[in-house]
Amino acid sequence: GEDVEQSLFLSVREGDSSVINCTYTDSSSTYLYWYKQEPGAGLQLLTYIFSNMDMKQDQRLTVLLNKKDKHLSLRIADTQTGDSAIYFCAEIPDSSYKLIFGSGTRLLVRP
Amino acid sequence: DGGITQSPKYLFRKEGQNVTLSCEQNLNHDAMYWYRQDPGQGLRLIYYSQIVNDFQKGDIAEGYSVSREKKESFPLTVTSAQKNPTAFYLCASSHRGFTDTQYFGPGTRLTVL
Repeated sequence: GEDVEQSLFLSVREGDSSVINCTYTDSSSTYLYWYKQEPGAGLQLLTYIFSNMDMKQDQRLTVLLNKKDKHLSLRIADTQTGDSAIYFCAEIPDSSYKLIFGSGTRLLVRP
Repeated sequence: DGGITQSPKYLFRKEGQNVTLSCEQNLNHDAMYWYRQDPGQGLRLIYYSQIVNDFQKGDIAEGYSVSREKKESFPLTVTSAQKNPTAFYLCASSHRGFTDTQYFGPGTRLTVL
């Protein structure tokens, strides 16, 4: 089946690293995404990774993919208060060709 | 300045009324989507369209209708048949279809009074 799971909440201190985790069930997924949603706003695409990659780095963001364990993570280095938002993991399983979202992880950055 | 616009940002409706949410994109994307977001949940697909004059039901289409008369526009009508319409509605588009990256509009918050 298709299911994407994330922890609901993460709190970090400003300047620390944040790691948001995601597990998915469909091993045939070709693309996996991370979106950011600020309060009352739409979703902003942060980054994505192809399933044939293990890691992707983009400035403060690092995405790690463990296909064997079906685990995806997003690391934010030097987390700032502006990073406080809800982060959604999403996959496109080959079986359905729809974008399947997790329920989102709310990141709170404490000063 | 390319992007996706949704209007209005906030919408209030009385029970029993139909209401139409607007979504426009100038990205020249073929595919457009409507999602519903409820508190503490991920997004659920309502309808999608991969080409003008064609659209398909998503996972929660009951009580909703759409049209795709123009490439850049994909309005969503929330009908009185939708039992629990209060939610945040997000429109998205992608170049061709689901395997292309989806870009989202700012959303419309619908409240039924």
